[in-house]
Amino acid sequence: DAGITQSPRHKVTETGTPVTLRCHQTENHRYMYWYRQDPGHGLRLIHYSYGVKDTDKGEVSDGYSVSRSKTEDFLLTLESATSSQTSVYFCAISEGTGGNTIYFGEGSWLTVV
Amino acid sequence: GQNIDQPTEMTATEGAIVQINCTYQTSGFNGLFWYQQHAGEAPTFLSYNVLDGLEEKGRFSSFLSRSKGYSYLLLKELQMKDSASYLCAVRDLDDYKLSFGAGTTVTVRA
Repeated sequence: DAGITQSPRHKVTETGTPVTLRCHQTENHRYMYWYRQDPGHGLRLIHYSYGVKDTDKGEVSDGYSVSRSKTEDFLLTLESATSSQTSVYFCAISEGTGGNTIYFGEGSWLTVV
Repeated sequence: GQNIDQPTEMTATEGAIVQINCTYQTSGFNGLFWYQQHAGEAPTFLSYNVLDGLEEKGRFSSFLSRSKGYSYLLLKELQMKDSASYLCAVRDLDDYKLSFGAGTTVTVRA
């Protein structure tokens, strides 16, 4: 199994509060990703990183920010959580292009009430 | 961007064969992946195709036709444990992101 740890695994928070999800990898992979998964939509990319302090937006980045200060850590922050951000969040890592696959963490279940 | 379509649900009998189709429209193509996801778990890698043709890996095979924007995942000798969601994903040409279809839920019945 790829060495990816997400925390917290489960969280319930109130609307308007800030939330940070952490992804930690032990594989020294260059690329890290945050996806959300919702019924009927599949996995959608929020943000990704291609190196320390190098990040870019995905298709559903509104309301989210990220930071990567170290190779092994990629943080996803919801500045002011909304009910529409209730979802399962998956972190993923990859060495790079071509046949290098993307490996997923176990997921973080977030409920915004 | 990518537009990826796959059927929502399929049902098959234990021991049978099921074929899951995936069509895509893309501005750039650098490989197609299939993932398996059991309920409440993370997606796990099944196969990768970048050239046209069939890739076989045990009971699972994946086919790609780049000119048609088409792939399928073939699951043979179905087992109950194969009941899961199967995700088709396409990698962009100039970057390293995967775009996913909504997934196909396969139910295997005894």
